[in-house]
Amino acid sequence: DQQVKQNSPSLSVQEGRISILNCDYTNSMFDYFLWYKKYPAEGPTFLISISSIKDKNEDGRFTVFLNKSAKHLSLHIVPSQPGDSAVYFCAAQNNNDMRFGAGTRLTVKP
Amino acid sequence: KAGVTQTPRYLIKTRGQQVTLSCSPISGHRSVSWYQQTPGQGLQFLFEYFSETQRNKGNFPGRFSGRQFSNSRSEMNVSTLELGDSALYLCASSLQGGSVYGYTFGSGTRLTVV
Repeated sequence: DQQVKQNSPSLSVQEGRISILNCDYTNSMFDYFLWYKKYPAEGPTFLISISSIKDKNEDGRFTVFLNKSAKHLSLHIVPSQPGDSAVYFCAAQNNNDMRFGAGTRLTVKP
Repeated sequence: KAGVTQTPRYLIKTRGQQVTLSCSPISGHRSVSWYQQTPGQGLQFLFEYFSETQRNKGNFPGRFSGRQFSNSRSEMNVSTLELGDSALYLCASSLQGGSVYGYTFGSGTRLTVV
C-alpha cells in the first residue's frame, strides 16, 4: 500500500523561479516528515524536515509546508537553481517506520 | 567520519540465483534500513534492523531476508532471483532509528538480474 504519494513524476521550472513539489500521505499516525534529494548514482541525502506540531519549516531557499488536515506537504525552493535538478523524495515517519513517496524529478532550466 | 558503505556497487546475476548485499553503517549507528528503488515505484521499504533484531518489515516476499551483526553491519539476501528484482538497493543508517534528521544513505548496490 502506498502510504506516501508524490503524484507528479516530473517538474520543470526556469532558473530563478519557484519550484513546488507536493506530497500526500494517508496514515494519520505519521508525525515527522522529511524531504530527500537524490542525484544519479548517489544515495538520497537529507534536505529538510518538519514535525507534525508545526506547519512550516524554512532553511535557506527551502521551505516545507505541512497541512495536517489535508495530509499534504509541499517543498518550496526559491529561487530555483540548475544545481537543484535532482529527484526529490518525500518521506513520512512514525517512530521507527519511515515510508517514501515515488519521487519527483525536478529539472531547473538555465 | 566515514559514511554508509554498500558493497558491491554493481552486480549482475542470473534468474534463479541468490545474492547477498552488504551495508556498513556509520560508526555508532545501530539502526540499518534497506530500501529498493525502481523507476516509478520510488523507494520501497524492505526491513529495518536495530541491535541485531528485525524491528520493521515491508511488504516484500520471503525471498528477501536480512540480518544484522553485532558490529551493526547488515546483509540483505535475495534468493531465487527474478527479473523484477533488478533495482537499486539502498541501505540507510541512523543512531537509533526514527532520527529527527532522518537517515544517512549509502550509494546503493545496482542489481541486474538477467
